[in-house]
Amino acid sequence: GAGVSQTPSNKVTEKGKYVELRCDPISGHTALYWYRQSLGQGPEFLIYFQGTGAADDSGLPNDRFFAVRPEGSVSTLKIQRTERGDSAVYLCASSANRGKTQYFGPGTRLLVL
Amino acid sequence: AQKVTQAQTEISVVEKEDVTLDCVYETRDTTYYLFWYKQPPSGELVFLIRRNSFDEQNEISGRYSWNFQKSTSSFNFTITASQVVDSAVYFCALSEAAQGGSEKLVFGKGTKLTVNP
Repeated sequence: GAGVSQTPSNKVTEKGKYVELRCDPISGHTALYWYRQSLGQGPEFLIYFQGTGAADDSGLPNDRFFAVRPEGSVSTLKIQRTERGDSAVYLCASSANRGKTQYFGPGTRLLVL
Repeated sequence: AQKVTQAQTEISVVEKEDVTLDCVYETRDTTYYLFWYKQPPSGELVFLIRRNSFDEQNEISGRYSWNFQKSTSSFNFTITASQVVDSAVYFCALSEAAQGGSEKLVFGKGTKLTVNP
């Protein structure tokens, strides 16, 4: 079956702009995760959804970052007033339920100029 | 706090050599999961293995094997008879397993493996 998909694959924006990154999880997966990966580093956790609700948003770096999952499937990560330090690969993962293995999408490479 | 350390930043081997990637973790949890993921140049993280902290039995899958030692908090990964297609960055990760615990994965910084022909 289809894996996790993320769009766009690449996004270039200017400092101060607003961006939205989309994640389509594996069909039927109830849990969805966002991570951020800077160059040469391992992925860092941002937020975890179980169904429609954010069960753990402790990794969001500040209030410019927000994520939603209104129908318990697709999720959107929203970044306001982007800064150059936000440049990274944003990874989405999904799992069949809590406690199950997370499967990752190809990521969105965000570049803030 | 949870922490994963992959001390080897880069490893370079010649095809058919065996190679071991080290992973040391820290956690106060009594139950936890350990993982290995592969990230080829294409960038997508590929799941390799998940191990429950209660299960210290080593595992072999083809040319891959994993050695879990709770006494030394290590979960090392060995590739036997390496191939050029094994070239990638490999990440070790840790998560809580307790009911109601955080679902987040804590990753190490990764080990870049280059297998030369």
